Amino acid sequence: LAKTTQPISMDSYEGQEVNITCSHNNIATNDYITWYQQFPSQGPRFIIQGYKTKVTNEVASLFIPADRKSSTLSLPRVSLSDTAVYYCLVGPTGTASKLTFGTGTRLQVTL
Amino acid sequence: EAGVAQSPRYKIIEKRQSVAFWCNPISGHATLYWYQQILGQGPKLLIQFQNNGVVDDSQLPKDRFSAERLKGVDSTLKIQPAKLEDSAVYLCASSLRRVGTEAFFGQGTRLTVV
Repeated sequence: LAKTTQPISMDSYEGQEVNITCSHNNIATNDYITWYQQFPSQGPRFIIQGYKTKVTNEVASLFIPADRKSSTLSLPRVSLSDTAVYYCLVGPTGTASKLTFGTGTRLQVTL
Repeated sequence: EAGVAQSPRYKIIEKRQSVAFWCNPISGHATLYWYQQILGQGPKLLIQFQNNGVVDDSQLPKDRFSAERLKGVDSTLKIQPAKLEDSAVYLCASSLRRVGTEAFFGQGTRLTVV
């Protein structure tokens, strides 16, 4: 499984756009990139998944450059409720198989 | 749609005692996972079931941990005997299939071993 590297923590003010970048230099051809969000005292929650270029849903956007060695999760106009840990996962064909979590990025949103 | 149900939410035991956790996955989900999450770390996969068969238990400490999934639905995870380092949140997750679908997590069971 490809190893991922992401910042340990980030701070943002409410209303700003937050971009969290994940490096995955050894990503394989059949690997997808998936992001999960985890609030305190809760299990992780799926946010978004992509293979290449750009994916957008009602919660976030995921930008993946052509070489796929990194990806950026973009959260538009964050609120206090977006304070959470965000995990970047890389694995084959959608990664429901053997989800491997790193330490994640702790995002703190303040007023 | 009902989510993944886990019980109990909290458990405090003394070291060397035994403990069991229960998980009821989302109806129809064939794949079930148990994760251990130590404070400040990401979840670590302990065991993965496909229906009632084990797909991956490479990180399960088999000398003290055991898990089963009866009839391919509910699952139990047991620790016997518990050690102080087993203090963690134990998360259960399920997905529709083994690959290609997102996993849904329960709220977890917080275990404290004293």
